[in-house]
Amino acid sequence: RKEVEQDPGPFNVPEGATVAFNCTYSNSASQSFFWYRQDCRKEPKLLMSVYSSGNEDGRFTAQLNRASQYISLLIRDSKLSDSATYLCVVGKAAGNKLTFGGGTRVLVKP
Amino acid sequence: NAGVTQTPKFQVLKTGQSMTLQCAQDMNHNSMYWYRQDPGMGLRLIYYSASEGTTDKGEVPNGYNVSRLNKREFSLRLESAAPSQTSVYFCAGSLGGNTGELFFGEGSRLTVL
Repeated sequence: RKEVEQDPGPFNVPEGATVAFNCTYSNSASQSFFWYRQDCRKEPKLLMSVYSSGNEDGRFTAQLNRASQYISLLIRDSKLSDSATYLCVVGKAAGNKLTFGGGTRVLVKP
Repeated sequence: NAGVTQTPKFQVLKTGQSMTLQCAQDMNHNSMYWYRQDPGMGLRLIYYSASEGTTDKGEVPNGYNVSRLNKREFSLRLESAAPSQTSVYFCAGSLGGNTGELFFGEGSRLTVL
C-alpha cells in the first residue's frame, strides 16, 4: 500500500461548480499535511497547509480526518484557472521527509 | 528573484554516461531536496540535506550521489546513467522546521537512451 494515495482523476468540473477529493495516508504518526498545486510541465507550488480544525483560503477548503486518516480539498465556484494537478503531501514531523501522493488531476471546463 | 535554479533544464544521455544536476538557491534555505517525478508515481525523494554539511537518503537513492557544497548549492550526480533514471528531477529548498513549504526549481528533464 502506498504511503499517500490519491484518486488520479481526472475530475471534469463545469465552470462554477464545486469539486472535492480526498487523499488517504497510511502512517498514523503523520503530523503535517499540505496541498500543493502543479500545472502541466511546471514545478509544484504550495496551495495550502491543512490544520486539524480545517481551514479555508478563499474558494479552497481543506479538512483533516485523523480517525480515518485522510485529508480533503474542496474547491468552490471552480474557475478555468483551477485546472491543475493537486498533490497531497504528508510529513511525519518537521518538514524534512515529506511524502507526496500521485496527484489528482482537475479539469475545469466552460 | 532567482529562487531555486536548476541546470540543465534538458539533457539526453546514453546508458553508462555520467552527469551532474546543479541546484542553487538564494532564499537562505537550510534544507534542500532532490525529487524525481514519474507518471503516476508522484514525487519521490532521492536525497535531502537538512542543513549544510549533512545529507541523507530518501526513498529512492540507488544510482545517485549528492553533495551539499555550501548552504546555497546541492548537486545530484548520476555516475552511470540507466534508462530507469529517465525522469523529471526537481530540486527544492525549505527553511526546515515544521514548515511544509518547499520551493521548487523548474525541473530538469533527463532522458537516458
